[in-house]
Amino acid sequence: GAVVSQHPSWVICKSGTSVKIECRSLDFQATTMFWYRQFPKQSLMLMATSNEGSKATYEQGVEKDKFLINHASLTLSTLTVTSAHPEDSSFYICSAPYSGRVRTGELFFGEGSRLTVL
Amino acid sequence: EDQVTQSPEALRLQEGESSSLNCSYTVSGLRGLFWYRQDPGKGPEFLFTLYSAGEEKEKERLKATLTKKESFLHITAPKPEDSATYLCAAATISGGYQKVTFGTGTKLQVIP
Repeated sequence: GAVVSQHPSWVICKSGTSVKIECRSLDFQATTMFWYRQFPKQSLMLMATSNEGSKATYEQGVEKDKFLINHASLTLSTLTVTSAHPEDSSFYICSAPYSGRVRTGELFFGEGSRLTVL
Repeated sequence: EDQVTQSPEALRLQEGESSSLNCSYTVSGLRGLFWYRQDPGKGPEFLFTLYSAGEEKEKERLKATLTKKESFLHITAPKPEDSATYLCAAATISGGYQKVTFGTGTKLQVIP
């Protein structure tokens, strides 16, 4: 099946530093990727939609300057948490729709990245 | 506003004790209903997509069904390795783009 790889799996950083998370579609091309944030015992909250070759679309309430998204190629999207603070600590998950064989592309998820900001 | 509600929040079953998880949805123009399994500290793993009321899909001990208002994930004779959080999500089209709304999940624990 379709595979989405996310790196790093976990990262610990000091407050004020920036952290980059990569999301790759390994065996299919993804013109669109989604970035989610998940708090303990809560559902996935969509942060932004990453579009290859154009600007990302952010959900209401998500700071564009805080969460920089770059969709560099058809298989790579990156999320950079800039000037991270403890409240940014969370589980970040990327996904890509596999539209090769279905009417609505099922979302395939990366393994997630656990960010802890000290 | 699109809403997806899952119940129960948590479910504890004895090994072999069959049960069902519920996913109720209120969305405009359902394009697909997805079920995922999520293990702690991992990203969700895709299980099923259902497109229209009356549709059913099966995979090992899992069977997903869909009506116009809800979906059920039936677990037959579960094993401890079925313990996980099960998420459902409804896909719609909004402004020309696919939008996926997730429920909060049901945490399933299967006891040997």
